[in-house]
Amino acid sequence: KNEVEQSPQNLTAQEGEFITINCSYSVGISALHWLQQHPGGGIVSLFMLSSGKKKHGRLIATINIQEKHSSLHITASHPRDSAVYICAPLQGAQKLVFGQGTRLTINP
Amino acid sequence: DSGVTQTPKHLITATGQRVTLRCSPRSGDLSVYWYQQSLDQGLQFLIQYYNGEERAKGNILERFSAQQFPDLHSELNLSSLELGDSALYFCASSVAGTNEQFFGPGTRLTVL
Repeated sequence: KNEVEQSPQNLTAQEGEFITINCSYSVGISALHWLQQHPGGGIVSLFMLSSGKKKHGRLIATINIQEKHSSLHITASHPRDSAVYICAPLQGAQKLVFGQGTRLTINP
Repeated sequence: DSGVTQTPKHLITATGQRVTLRCSPRSGDLSVYWYQQSLDQGLQFLIQYYNGEERAKGNILERFSAQQFPDLHSELNLSSLELGDSALYFCASSVAGTNEQFFGPGTRLTVL
């Protein structure tokens, strides 16, 4: 079993829909990153959180440390949100472990 | 733009060869991390340096080595290259006292 499980693996939605991507992990962590990777390959860190909830524009990330679960939400989704979203818990201070990614496609 | 730079962007080489990938962290960041992203293994942590010293090691092969120089840039050396080493190699940096990592644009290595 992978240390980090993301669901769904693939998600296609229409512009304007509310999107939720889930991440469950089995390892002890100090924080968790949500990363975005566009088709060109570059990786952008969207959030790092260790408790509660963070919001940045149309993106919201939540984490429940006790449940070992995090979610990434996108409100009013747009075609430019199409990308792979990767959950990456941080073990200790150094080691990121990675989910397999969720490929999101938003159709106009 | 994260402020982390990596060179080269693309590298094509042959099996058995040796290559060096370079990373310059954001100004002021002391930690550098190297990651490999391959089609079959996904993203994997390779190694971390902090202010010139190795801090943590992940799934890094013995054929691979890294170092961080006094000016804080880092190099990842890959030798005796195999077809399976073809991947995207990312570096990331973080400032002391925080765990937030900022990723470079990556180097795409193709081994023929």
